[in-house]
Amino acid sequence: AQKITQTQPGMFVQEKEAVTLDCTYDTSDQSYGLFWYKQPSSGEMIFLIYQGSYDEQNATEGRYSLNFQKARKSANLVISASQLGDSAMYFCAMREGFNTDKLIFGTGTRLQVFP
Amino acid sequence: KAGVTQTPRYLIKTRGQQVTLSCSPISGHRSVSWYQQTPGQGLQFLFEYFSETQRNKGNFPGRFSGRQFSNSRSEMNVSTLELGDSALYLCASSLGGNRGRSYEQYFGPGTRLTVT
Repeated sequence: AQKITQTQPGMFVQEKEAVTLDCTYDTSDQSYGLFWYKQPSSGEMIFLIYQGSYDEQNATEGRYSLNFQKARKSANLVISASQLGDSAMYFCAMREGFNTDKLIFGTGTRLQVFP
Repeated sequence: KAGVTQTPRYLIKTRGQQVTLSCSPISGHRSVSWYQQTPGQGLQFLFEYFSETQRNKGNFPGRFSGRQFSNSRSEMNVSTLELGDSALYLCASSLGGNRGRSYEQYFGPGTRLTVT
């Protein structure tokens, strides 16, 4: 069964430093997509980055990059130059196959950025 | 470009009542998905609609239902509300295809439902 595991309930990082949020996944499908979302205290889920299972290069979106290690089934999010506004919950999610938008979410990591 | 909108934002209902939540996707998006978020169960998939057809359904009782209209707007209904239905209900939309950036799903601000 497909599953997303985020083992870090909470993380602290100093402003301007880089931080890595861990995500491992389990699926028997060859075609899948991996997502990271940010959820501030307001509740809205903000799309950050996407990695397809057939993408050979790691995805990057501004200060966000996804460290995709297919053999290890990991899809860690790297945030460079952290900002105070990055403090939020971060969710890793997986879409299995390409004919559905159904996402399976991990339990999330609460990131706190301090000055 | 307007984002995903959800109405109402907050709702208080009593046990046994029913409720209807609405979601308007981003213009041009044909796929709408619904999720329930609770502190105990996290984010759980409810159902997904594409071009007015339910494409996928999560593991929720039949009290939870939904539909999508020809303009891609979607509604979900919960009948005979229970205390455990108190949650943040999130709607997401996407282009719905499998090419390009059609995979990107954008979420609305959610409807916070409290059942007393």
